[in-house]
Amino acid sequence: GDSVTQMEGPVTLSEEAFLTINCTYTATGYPSLFWYVQYPGEGLQLLLKATKADDKGSNKGFEATYRKETTSFHLEKGSVQVSDSAVYFCALSANDYKLSFGAGTTVTVRA
Amino acid sequence: NAGVTQTPKFQVLKTGQSMTLQCAQDMNHNSMYWYRQDPGMGLRLIYYSASEGTTDKGEVPNGYNVSRLNKREFSLRLESAAPSQTSVYFCASSDAQAGQPQHFGDGTRLSIL
Repeated sequence: GDSVTQMEGPVTLSEEAFLTINCTYTATGYPSLFWYVQYPGEGLQLLLKATKADDKGSNKGFEATYRKETTSFHLEKGSVQVSDSAVYFCALSANDYKLSFGAGTTVTVRA
Repeated sequence: NAGVTQTPKFQVLKTGQSMTLQCAQDMNHNSMYWYRQDPGMGLRLIYYSASEGTTDKGEVPNGYNVSRLNKREFSLRLESAAPSQTSVYFCASSDAQAGQPQHFGDGTRLSIL
């Protein structure tokens, strides 16, 4: 079945460091790919998405590119801030509503 | 603030008790969802409602029932709670064009003893 594998955390960084969270997927067909972010004590928020190969999703300084050849959708940010401390979830959708989530990666940014 | 509102935020139940988790959204979204979040497993879909009056099972529907009372409200009921249902429950919504959940509530932390 469809599944997502993302790098295990926790990840701890200093402010202004470069962040990469790896995500790879297994799916039949051509799924849409998503990154969600969950700040402490809150629900998830959609961070960015890409719906076809080579699309780049971007939001709040984060980017991820849909790579069909490597079945990947890695999340990157060039200079993180303390406010980026959160849990990040990679997800895919092969049909209209069903999302398959990765286990989540906890990111802590220290001042 | 506009968004998805869940009640209660915390609840402790004894095995065999029943309860209903409430969810309401004020964004006029057609689709609503119930997920559970367990450590190391991401979120798993319990039930989904594409519109008022319709519901569909997700990945883990056993032990749960739902009601789409109107366009705003989507409730989740545990008829006979079991310790395996200890989890954090999230309600979410999306508009017809999105297809996937856009907005999540802050969650209900449920413990079954």
